[in-house]
Amino acid sequence: GENVEQHPSTLSVQEGDSAVIKCTYSDSASNYFPWYKQELGKGPQLIIDIRSNVGEKKDQRIAVTLNKTAKHFSLHITETQPEDSAVYFCAASNYKLSFGAGTTVTVRA
Amino acid sequence: NAGVTQTPKFQVLKTGQSMTLQCAQDMNHEYMSWYRQDPGMGLRLIHYSVGAGITDQGEVPNGYNVSRSTTEDFPLRLLSAAPSQTSVYFCASGTSGGSANTGELFFGEGSRLTVL
Repeated sequence: GENVEQHPSTLSVQEGDSAVIKCTYSDSASNYFPWYKQELGKGPQLIIDIRSNVGEKKDQRIAVTLNKTAKHFSLHITETQPEDSAVYFCAASNYKLSFGAGTTVTVRA
Repeated sequence: NAGVTQTPKFQVLKTGQSMTLQCAQDMNHEYMSWYRQDPGMGLRLIHYSVGAGITDQGEVPNGYNVSRSTTEDFPLRLLSAAPSQTSVYFCASGTSGGSANTGELFFGEGSRLTVL
């Protein structure tokens, strides 16, 4: 089955700086790569996704890049704000969605 | 505007007891699934369903049963609770791309289960 590894497990950034989270996957047939944000006491919520026919996608301060050859994809958050503090999960899907272990992001004011 | 509703939010069980976690969605989604979330392990798929009457196993199905008699409901049954099943459980629904989910998942707020 699919194995998704996510790094780092924790990330502390100064407000206004950028945050980058990286993930690798094992199944070359995976073709859908979403990112979810989980706030304390809530369920995860989709923030951005990318499909295998696209190399990069951007939505305001959030961008995702995908390198299918190397089987890795990354989440970039620019101009971080306190409300960006949360746990972020990457995931990869061919048949079933497999999640990474999560990254706890703390934005320091 | 309910989305995905899970009950109960909190539950304490003794080893060997059984219980059912309820999940209901009002978005007419074909796909429903159950995940468990444990520290450092992300979200692991327990069981999923691509439509009424159809269920299949995920990564960690042992000790859990599911059924899907309606589009709206997807209960998760713990047959004989064990301390290893202490976790936070999330139900999620989405549109179904063929035989599996390939789009956005909508999650409930979770059910925290403690097994003593």
